[in-house]
Amino acid sequence: ILNVEQSPQSLHVQEGDSTNFTCSFPSSNFYALHWYRWETAKSPEALFVMTLNGDEKKKGRISATLNTKEGYSYLYIKGSQPEDSATYLCAFRGYGGATNKLIFGTGTLLAVQP
Amino acid sequence: DTGVSQDPRHKITKRGQNVTFRCDPISEHNRLYWYRQTLGQGPEFLTYFQNEAQLEKSRLLSDRFSAERPKGSFSTLEIQRTEQGDSAMYLCASSPSGTAGRNEKLFFGSGTQLSVL
Repeated sequence: ILNVEQSPQSLHVQEGDSTNFTCSFPSSNFYALHWYRWETAKSPEALFVMTLNGDEKKKGRISATLNTKEGYSYLYIKGSQPEDSATYLCAFRGYGGATNKLIFGTGTLLAVQP
Repeated sequence: DTGVSQDPRHKITKRGQNVTFRCDPISEHNRLYWYRQTLGQGPEFLTYFQNEAQLEKSRLLSDRFSAERPKGSFSTLEIQRTEQGDSAMYLCASSPSGTAGRNEKLFFGSGTQLSVL
């Protein structure tokens, strides 16, 4: 059974704080790792698709790193704003018959207080 | 709005009834996925279409569930004889053929929330 774990489960920060979340995934048969942001009542929105060990991606104040050998990815938000409040989901795609589907973690719920 | 569209947004039904959801993917996206999210869990894969062909189906999808994509455009997901355990958010996603492989990015709809009483 492929397991994707995210921590923490939830996080409350003040506006301006920087924060980071962790996604752990199987270190074998790695194909790709996705990060999504899901705001309440909206669609999950793709932030990053990461495919190579050592990948670092950045989108505005949000960045992500990838370590496929040890099976983890970090998502960083610099200077959190209230509009960053959302659930952040990571999802793993593996080889061997699982490449058509994403295996999601349970998400990290971020609340940014003004 | 040219995003993935799902209808209805909310559905309340009684146990034993049949329900059908619709997904309109982004135009010209040839791949379409259905996922289900239950409370406290991440989305779980249900099924996948490439054009009109259903190429993969999760074991989670019992014989009460059926999905179609008759012309390779919109898709429907039907649940027969609903049970309380079917209560969940049903998400549809699509992706274009140009992003096949490792860099494929999924575009999600905002989901259909099903409540079975």
